[in-house]
Amino acid sequence: GENVEQHPSTLSVQEGDSAVIKCTYSDSASNYFPWYKQELGKGPQLIIDIRSNVGEKKDQRIAVTLNKTAKHFSLHITETQPEDSAVYFCAASRGGSQGNLIFGKGTKLSVKP
Amino acid sequence: GAVVSQHPSRVICKSGTSVKIECRSLDFQATTMFWYRQFPKQSLMLMATSNEGSKATYEQGVEKDKFLINHASLTLSTLTVTSAHPEDSSFYICSASRPQDFYGYTFGSGTRLTVV
Repeated sequence: GENVEQHPSTLSVQEGDSAVIKCTYSDSASNYFPWYKQELGKGPQLIIDIRSNVGEKKDQRIAVTLNKTAKHFSLHITETQPEDSAVYFCAASRGGSQGNLIFGKGTKLSVKP
Repeated sequence: GAVVSQHPSRVICKSGTSVKIECRSLDFQATTMFWYRQFPKQSLMLMATSNEGSKATYEQGVEKDKFLINHASLTLSTLTVTSAHPEDSSFYICSASRPQDFYGYTFGSGTRLTVV
């Protein structure tokens, strides 16, 4: 089955700096790669996602890149703000009702003012 | 946008009792719902997948007789933790997917279960 590795487990940056979180996956059939932000005591919130036919996607300060050959994808947050502090999870799926999301172990991001 | 409502948000129960958690898709029909469990400072672990009108598919190691899942309609799935024990204390989260959005998953806000 699918296995998703996520690094680093913790990341501390200064406000305004960039943050990068990396994930690798094992199942070459995976075709959907979302990123979630989870705040304490709440469910995960989708912040950005990418499908396997796209190499990069950007939404304001957040971007995701995908390298299908190497089976890895990364989350990039620029101009970090204290409210970006949370736990971020990457996930991989074959998509829709045919598959389910397999999550990485999470990255606790702390943005220091 | 798609909204999934999960209730209750917090529940405390005594050992040996049963607890039911509800997950409703408010503005779409969810053909598939997923139930996850998350222990403190850990990732989300899939417990089971349920399709409307059929039996749930449980992940390896998840006791189907202990975690009863019902997906009787396209907008409602329930997870019942039977004969709860302190080790069942965890954060339970549901997720729903809809047929018109092949890659879309919407998560509920989670239920913090504490068994005393």
